[in-house]
Amino acid sequence: GEEVAQTPKHLVRGEGQKAKLYCAPIKGHSYVFWYQQVLKNEFKFLISFQNENVFDETGMPKERFSAKCLPNSPCSLEIQATKLEDSAVYFCASSPRGDTGELFFGEGSRLTVL
Amino acid sequence: GENVEQHPSTLSVQEGDSAVIKCTYSDSASNYFPWYKQELGKGPQLIIDIRSNVGEKKDQRIAVTLNKTAKHFSLHITETQPEDSAVYFCAATSGDYKLSFGAGTTVTVRA
Repeated sequence: GEEVAQTPKHLVRGEGQKAKLYCAPIKGHSYVFWYQQVLKNEFKFLISFQNENVFDETGMPKERFSAKCLPNSPCSLEIQATKLEDSAVYFCASSPRGDTGELFFGEGSRLTVL
Repeated sequence: GENVEQHPSTLSVQEGDSAVIKCTYSDSASNYFPWYKQELGKGPQLIIDIRSNVGEKKDQRIAVTLNKTAKHFSLHITETQPEDSAVYFCAATSGDYKLSFGAGTTVTVRA
């Protein structure tokens, strides 16, 4: 597609429940990035992929967060045992070339943990 | 890692006036500086970018300047319009495949 498609737009989970978010990058883009936006503004890098391979996962809280980009499937970001502080908007972005910084963002998935 | 600071955090301008947002970065290896506009409930949208081999770039009412020596770059919006109201983010990357964002500037254009 011509846009980064993220689903769901909104997700509500009770503390301790699992949350899973999906992202379909722009067709032909081989790099996918996940960012977490908290407090309305601050962006935190989570993880990036080059095709189905993890490229950089330095931002991931590894004990509860995991992500995948499998061939012919949307990429996914999964949070096991959600905590209140996981409440945020999660943005997926794709890029034709990872080194240029030209990211195309989706509209985000808002996760609310109660 | 890279640290990007952005000022001001809020900016209110009269329609038709100019708006200027400034950012500083810490990593002298940074070589790509995009600016994103985020409207309420939307994802960030790239509006202009500049690379380290260029000092200034302009696209209609929007311009960006870069001072590599001082490690700062600025966004200039001229002849502001109500539709320019949004949150603007600067970012920087040294080509390590991830962007470091500033904290954002909420711009309000008063009619």
